[in-house]
Amino acid sequence: DAGITQSPRYKITETGRQVTLMCHQTWSHSYMFWYRQDLGHGLRLIYYSAAADITDKGEVPDGYVVSRSKTENFPLTLESATRSQTSVYFCASSVSGNTIYFGEGSWLTVV
Amino acid sequence: AQRVTQPEKLLSVFKGAPVELKCNYSYSGSPELFWYVQYSRQRLQLLLRHISRESIKGFTADLNKGETSFHLKKPFAQEEDSAMYYCALTGETSGSRLTFGEGTQLTVNP
Repeated sequence: DAGITQSPRYKITETGRQVTLMCHQTWSHSYMFWYRQDLGHGLRLIYYSAAADITDKGEVPDGYVVSRSKTENFPLTLESATRSQTSVYFCASSVSGNTIYFGEGSWLTVV
Repeated sequence: AQRVTQPEKLLSVFKGAPVELKCNYSYSGSPELFWYVQYSRQRLQLLLRHISRESIKGFTADLNKGETSFHLKKPFAQEEDSAMYYCALTGETSGSRLTFGEGTQLTVNP
């Protein structure tokens, strides 16, 4: 489980600021994902990546940007944070169509 | 479009009582169904997947294609089972992406 780590774990930022959440995995999994977890909505997919330099939108991509220059890293950037982006963000990875492994989550508050 | 529905947001039972967490899905192909568990402020962990047909921590789940359901069951709940449970789905058209239900918060009272 320690193979996928997120940072920072907790972040408070102001509306309009840029924030980047980092995700690093040591398994060389090809797939990586970003989900946000909100009460009443469960987990919703923001972006995912099937391999380095390949990314695609999920269910709720607006306001977010991702990149995947290296297989092991998948940072998520909020270009101009809004209060509606206050959430818990989970990064995840998988080999291919198999079990998805989650990071510990990043708690983000936008004030 | 694929969809997972967990009709109960909250479920409370007493220790030793049977528990069933409901999950219904819609998917046009052959789905893979999962149950994930999240203990307080921890990461989500895979509890079980339907193709494994195994029992984890006393929990079982059977895929019922006729009723499009994948309910999670345990005959005797324990206090340590208190957690958030998510049903999730993927399939051949999903590209390894999981679609989650809204989750059910299970509380097992002493």
